[in-house]
Amino acid sequence: NAGVTQTPKFRVLKTGQSMTLLCAQDMNHEYMYWYRQDPGMGLRLIHYSVGEGTTAKGEVPDGYNVSRLKKQNFLLGLESAAPSQTSVYFCASSYSGPLAFFGQGTRLTVV
Amino acid sequence: AQSVTQPDIHITVSEGASLELRCNYSYGATPYLFWYVQSPGQGLQLLLKYFSGDTLVQGIKGFEAEFKRSQSSFNLRKPSVHWSDAAEYFCAVGFDSGGGADGLTFGKGTHLIIQP
Repeated sequence: NAGVTQTPKFRVLKTGQSMTLLCAQDMNHEYMYWYRQDPGMGLRLIHYSVGEGTTAKGEVPDGYNVSRLKKQNFLLGLESAAPSQTSVYFCASSYSGPLAFFGQGTRLTVV
Repeated sequence: AQSVTQPDIHITVSEGASLELRCNYSYGATPYLFWYVQSPGQGLQLLLKYFSGDTLVQGIKGFEAEFKRSQSSFNLRKPSVHWSDAAEYFCAVGFDSGGGADGLTFGKGTHLIIQP
């Protein structure tokens, strides 16, 4: 049972480059979330989705885009990476209600 | 908007001693309450949750937490810590707006150090 899987686990980008982070869940969950974790800041919600084809902004959405074309996948895109986007990114999913299951994280460094 | 406060950034406890990590929230209604643990370089593992009912909840690894509505608190406790408990602990609150859509609001975390 894989749960929530994030790809890649590590990535180094140059400023201005683009990339997509993939989150896949095999629990048939409706709701999916992207968070970023920064030292001393806890986790902050970037974007979320309440179902296939839907997305919404969270607390810190600027500089990111998301897509939910399939129920099991939630993609987080950085169109033009900036050093301020250096962070650890976590994907989470939930079936209903706020109980969420988290992936193992993606450590992104923008130089 | 809801907020979560973990007043202790770092806590140092001797192995075998008791532990209490504090969490206070600001919210208009009783939220769903969670404690997660994160070991270095790892993801978040759910320790316990409170949705309703008994205000003292038991979790994994010998942890428990007590919800106190009058104090808007959800403190995490363990009677005797082990060296393997050294980690970052996050308190989080959530609200079921009919579909869990709001996500979770996290505290900034408490770093637990265990002294031998």
